[in-house]
Amino acid sequence: DAKTTQPPSMDCAEGRAANLPCNHSTISGNEYVYWYRQIHSQGPQYIIHGLKNNETNEMASLIITEDRKSSTLILPHATLRDTAVYYCIVSYQGGSEKLVFGKGMKLTVNP
Amino acid sequence: NAGVMQNPRHLVRRRGQEARLRCSPMKGHSHVYWYRQLPEEGLKFMVYLQKENIIDESGMPKERFSAEFPKEGPSILRIQQVVRGDSAAYFCASSPAAGMNEKLFFGSGTQLSVL
Repeated sequence: DAKTTQPPSMDCAEGRAANLPCNHSTISGNEYVYWYRQIHSQGPQYIIHGLKNNETNEMASLIITEDRKSSTLILPHATLRDTAVYYCIVSYQGGSEKLVFGKGMKLTVNP
Repeated sequence: NAGVMQNPRHLVRRRGQEARLRCSPMKGHSHVYWYRQLPEEGLKFMVYLQKENIIDESGMPKERFSAEFPKEGPSILRIQQVVRGDSAAYFCASSPAAGMNEKLFFGSGTQLSVL
């Protein structure tokens, strides 16, 4: 079972920042937070991941709370092409650990 | 550098037939994962393979399903005697090493329809 909870859906206006929340209250000290997204009918795509520090890349920013029990994925300027299901996943790195996807959150970016 | 290639993109089978789904990982990747996605649901892990070895098959149904990743050639997910409940999108992912979850690259999937 997924170790994260996300709201089922969220809307965002095009050009505005999209803040996608995720709760992972049972996260272990050495588990990472990963974000993937799945655009309709396509395979999932990696976005970003982090352990305890905030992270930023060309796609998004990841803000992890100090207690690590929740995080927020930020898409700074959402576009219509960002409409997708977003998955927040916690997982160890290394070994035979595999990603366990939950139901994710459907983000709809509106014009 | 081609991405993860899955074929066929769409596969139609009648109940009782066999379905073979193929996955060619990215160049240099020796780890393959298969996931299944039922309509309106999230992805469910099925099996994780390294070249010639099954590492984790905890998500595979005990009967009718098998997977292999031979030394040469693509990984194959085989479903024998398909039933309507097997209709789903099957996604393959590959990574260059074990546990590199940020380096998991997914293919476009095979949509299996069982009539």
